[in-house]
Amino acid sequence: EDQVTQSPEALRLQEGESSSLNCSYTVSGLRGLFWYRQDPGKGPEFLFTLYSAGEEKEKERLKATLTKKESFLHITAPKPEDSATYLCAVPGNTGKLIFGQGTTLQVKP
Amino acid sequence: GAVVSQHPSWVICKSGTSVKIECRSLDFQATTMFWYRQFPKQSLMLMATSNEGSKATYEQGVEKDKFLINHASLTLSTLTVTSAHPEDSSFYICSAIKTGERFEQYFGPGTRLTVT
Repeated sequence: EDQVTQSPEALRLQEGESSSLNCSYTVSGLRGLFWYRQDPGKGPEFLFTLYSAGEEKEKERLKATLTKKESFLHITAPKPEDSATYLCAVPGNTGKLIFGQGTTLQVKP
Repeated sequence: GAVVSQHPSWVICKSGTSVKIECRSLDFQATTMFWYRQFPKQSLMLMATSNEGSKATYEQGVEKDKFLINHASLTLSTLTVTSAHPEDSSFYICSAIKTGERFEQYFGPGTRLTVT
């Protein structure tokens, strides 16, 4: 069964304290792995798409990496404005996105 | 870019009435759009897949007669909640896939529906 698991569920960091979020997936034939950011009361905002193991993408303080079983979202020197819920998702066999439960990040000044 | 808009951003309606939510892809064409529902502190729950010019495909447990979906053009899909009840109150989010692409979904900002 296709499955996506994110950890930790919640993460509190001090401003400037780097860390990583994990997304483990089980899917028959990876068709891409997507990272989104969601702020309270808003729709998910697209961040990255990764297609193959070893691929990396960066945007400001965020870097996403991919292996054959998991993806990491590395946050370097986070700022309070990075506080949000981060979602990862993969397309299942039917093409529908399978979402993890998300990691809620809080960055304190 | 890949911008998706929703209208309205929030709506309050009385029990028994119907409400329509619009989802538009502003700078791209979208053959396929999706409608999700999200409860507080939970992940997105797919309600239905909408393909331009054809009937929507609903997920198991979603009442198709209650949640009417129309995808009349390559840039517009609508969700109508008919005979709304308080339990329909939720955050509804649409997404769209660019025509020619397969899986990458771009999401709208969401619509908060409150049924009184």
